[in-house]
Amino acid sequence: EDQVTQSPEALRLQEGESSSLNCSYTVSGLRGLFWYRQDPGKGPEFLFTLYSAGEEKEKERLKATLTKKESFLHITAPKPEDSATYLCAVRTYYGGATNKLIFGTGTLLAVQP
Amino acid sequence: EAGVTQFPSHSVIEKGQTVTLRCDPISGHDNLYWYRRVMGKEIKFLLHFVKESKQDESGMPNNRFLAERTGGTYSTLKVQPAELEDSGVYFCASSRGSGSYNEQFFGPGTRLTVL
Repeated sequence: EDQVTQSPEALRLQEGESSSLNCSYTVSGLRGLFWYRQDPGKGPEFLFTLYSAGEEKEKERLKATLTKKESFLHITAPKPEDSATYLCAVRTYYGGATNKLIFGTGTLLAVQP
Repeated sequence: EAGVTQFPSHSVIEKGQTVTLRCDPISGHDNLYWYRRVMGKEIKFLLHFVKESKQDESGMPNNRFLAERTGGTYSTLKVQPAELEDSGVYFCASSRGSGSYNEQFFGPGTRLTVL
C-alpha cells in the first residue's frame, strides 16, 4: 500500500537555526512528490514539485531534495514567518495513471524570535 | 488570478441533516479535486473531475456523498444524511491539466461539524 511518513511531527527552532524536515515514501511508482505549506485556517499552499531522484528545488530559505526513498525540506536561517505546517504528498501510478495525491500527516514548525 | 474558493467556510449541522459544499476552481482549470481531513488524520483524496466527468471517485467513503460538476465549472459535494464521522475539513483543489507536470492548487476549505 502506498504510504507517506513525515518526521518529526513537530519542530521548534530558534530564528536563524537551520534544520531539515523528512518525508519518506513507499509507493508503487512515483509520478511526483509535492511539498505544501499550510497556515492555520487556510488551505495547503503549493511550494515545490520533484520528479526524479537527485532533483533539487529552491525558494527563498527553503530547499527541497529527493532520493528514491525520501525527500528533505531544508530550512536555512528560518524566520518566525516560516512557522506553519509543512505537508508532503506523492502522486503515484495506480491502475495506469491517477492524479490523486497521497499526503503525510505533516510537520508543525514553530520558529521563535 | 483568483484562487480556488469554497463556500461556506464553516457549517454546523445535526446528525441526519443534509449539507452541500461548493467549490469554484481557478478559471480555466478543467481538473477539480475534493479532499477531506478528519481530526488527527492526514488529508485524503475523495474524487477527481475532468470538466464535468468523474475521472476517479475511488476515495468517496459511501453513497451518502454525492459530487457534481454541472457544466464543468463549479462543483458541489452533498452529504445526505450526515453522520458524526463526516466531521472534518473538506478541501477543493484544481489544476489546469491532468498530466505529471500539473500542480494542484487548494482552496481554504470548509470546516464541517456534525453534532
